[in-house]
Amino acid sequence: DADVTQTPRNRITKTGKRIMLECSQTKGHDRMYWYRQDPGLGLRLIYYSFDVKDINKGEISDGYSVSRQAQAKFSLSLESAIPNQTALYFCATSEGTGAQETQYFGPGTRLLVL
Amino acid sequence: AQKITQTQPGMFVQEKEAVTLDCTYDTSDQSYGLFWYKQPSSGEMIFLIYQGSYDEQNATEGRYSLNFQKARKSANLVISASQLGDSAMYFCAMRDGGGADGLTFGKGTHLIIQP
Repeated sequence: DADVTQTPRNRITKTGKRIMLECSQTKGHDRMYWYRQDPGLGLRLIYYSFDVKDINKGEISDGYSVSRQAQAKFSLSLESAIPNQTALYFCATSEGTGAQETQYFGPGTRLLVL
Repeated sequence: AQKITQTQPGMFVQEKEAVTLDCTYDTSDQSYGLFWYKQPSSGEMIFLIYQGSYDEQNATEGRYSLNFQKARKSANLVISASQLGDSAMYFCAMRDGGGADGLTFGKGTHLIIQP
């Protein structure tokens, strides 16, 4: 079984709809992240969490919210989806500390907002 | 602010040749980590190799090595004896020692290995 799973893997939704992307991990890591990837660009950080009670905004948090339900679960919500949120979304977990912290990514969720 | 620059949008390489993918970075931190990830057409992000700013030796992982030149702020990925399965997007990323944020990524290099 994969260490980091994301559901759904693909989703089509309409403008204005609420949508939740879920991430689960079995690696036992405390730190979890949400990134988005747009064509021709690298990944950009949306939100990150160092533990259940610690949630932090990343570079592009506007229009998104997150919930850390447990150490192993980290969900990303789009309260009112818009077309420019069409992207590939990745969840990641990490081990280590500071600069040595290696991040391991889930398989990604392809989201299309019509 | 951190910044990663990958100047090669795309590369074509013959199978079995060595490949060097360029990455330069900019940071004011003394402690930082540099990472390379591979993204095949299927979309997943695969961790390849890590180099710490205080590491004196260049990192190696199988056919992957990282040519770390600290004074030039470069962290090039070298793939020896390229294979068809190496065709993918490759991303350079960095993280500072404060650990407050996630990774900062470059825009990637699309590598195509030709038979």
